[in-house]
Amino acid sequence: NAGVMQNPRHLVRRRGQEARLRCSPMKGHSHVYWYRQLPEEGLKFMVYLQKENIIDESGMPKERFSAEFPKEGPSILRIQQVVRGDSAAYFCASSPPPRGQNIQYFGAGTRLSVL
Amino acid sequence: GESVGLHLPTLSVQEGDNSIINCAYSNSASDYFIWYKQESGKGPQFIIDIRSNMDKRQGQRVTVLLNKTVKHLSLQIAATQPGDSAVYFCAENIDAGGTSYGKLTFGQGTILTVHP
Repeated sequence: NAGVMQNPRHLVRRRGQEARLRCSPMKGHSHVYWYRQLPEEGLKFMVYLQKENIIDESGMPKERFSAEFPKEGPSILRIQQVVRGDSAAYFCASSPPPRGQNIQYFGAGTRLSVL
Repeated sequence: GESVGLHLPTLSVQEGDNSIINCAYSNSASDYFIWYKQESGKGPQFIIDIRSNMDKRQGQRVTVLLNKTVKHLSLQIAATQPGDSAVYFCAENIDAGGTSYGKLTFGQGTILTVHP
């Protein structure tokens, strides 16, 4: 039973390029969450998605960032025109529908470096 | 605003000792809490959770205590082993049942180092 799969594990981009981060949830999980982690800090919530729906994007920057979870295929976190401040580890988590509890299972993350 | 924070950023213990990691939260509306362990270069790994209608929950070698009166959460690790060395985060669900139900708010983390 594979866990949450994220790719790539490491991504290097130059300023102004686009970054696309992919996340495949655990089998049977229909809810996906994206978090960002800066060095020596906790994870910060970005967005919560279900299939074809964005449920909560309160943690997403207003510009350049977007996320989707299509009917088929992985969830994608897209960062356009990257800047050095976007350098961080981006973690995806998945869960079954939250019912009184919300255990989220995390992938290994994508470490984005912007040159 | 809401926040989840930790009292001690680092904790060093000897192998075999018991470890206690603390966490304070500020939102009395939070009703669900989780402890995660994160090893270097890896994603957070679920350890144990607790709902606000409980004050104690035990797992294998771990116990979580919740004190709603003072908004305090702790993780106790019995007979700590070198493999327990990691960063430990507490996280909470805010506004459970609302649109932010899926959103976990994490504390800054405590670095646990276990010496052989």
